[in-house]
Amino acid sequence: EAQVTQNPRYLITVTGKKLTVTCSQNMNHEYMSWYRQDPGLGLRQIYYSMNVEVTDKGDVPEGYKVSRKEKRNFPLILESPSPNQTSLYFCASSFWGKGSTDTQYFGPGTRLTVL
Amino acid sequence: GEDVEQSLFLSVREGDSSVINCTYTDSSSTYLYWYKQEPGAGLQLLTYIFSNMDMKQDQRLTVLLNKKDKHLSLRIADTQTGDSAIYFCAESPGFQKLVFGTGTRLLVSP
Repeated sequence: EAQVTQNPRYLITVTGKKLTVTCSQNMNHEYMSWYRQDPGLGLRQIYYSMNVEVTDKGDVPEGYKVSRKEKRNFPLILESPSPNQTSLYFCASSFWGKGSTDTQYFGPGTRLTVL
Repeated sequence: GEDVEQSLFLSVREGDSSVINCTYTDSSSTYLYWYKQEPGAGLQLLTYIFSNMDMKQDQRLTVLLNKKDKHLSLRIADTQTGDSAIYFCAESPGFQKLVFGTGTRLLVSP
């Protein structure tokens, strides 16, 4: 089954404790992206990657890191989480191409609480 | 800058039609999208419309695009309780880039 998986689905942590949220897709997609969803703000892009070893900042990259060592995986790293990073995080992937056929497929989300 | 606006909430009765509205700012967007988010789940692409179209119909869904006013709407005919979800409008101002609206929570009551 074609899917994007994220782990963990729920996480409660404390300020300053490094954490990683994993994302994996099995569709051989070149493009992967991380979003955060906050009430009243919709989804905002954190980072994206166009292929292995190619990453770039989205609209709200501060406080986050990513890496793309393999095509299928795109982990999101919070080196020193703060309470304002409490949010719902989504990973998405798609083929790298033109037009609406390059639908972004979304993972189920990771709800992060930073105390 | 890019901005997509939606009303936050819509409540309808089962069997009625629902109309969810969206305004966007970037006239260069080639495609405009509607995504659906069910409780506890990720976003799922519902439908999309190419910017040179005025209307697209897909079973119970009708998308209307007014490019002059930068207004997009999603009409769901014969709304069912299973349609209760958050609906996001999104524009694509750049290659592979999506800008989402705040989402409209649709509540369908029996």
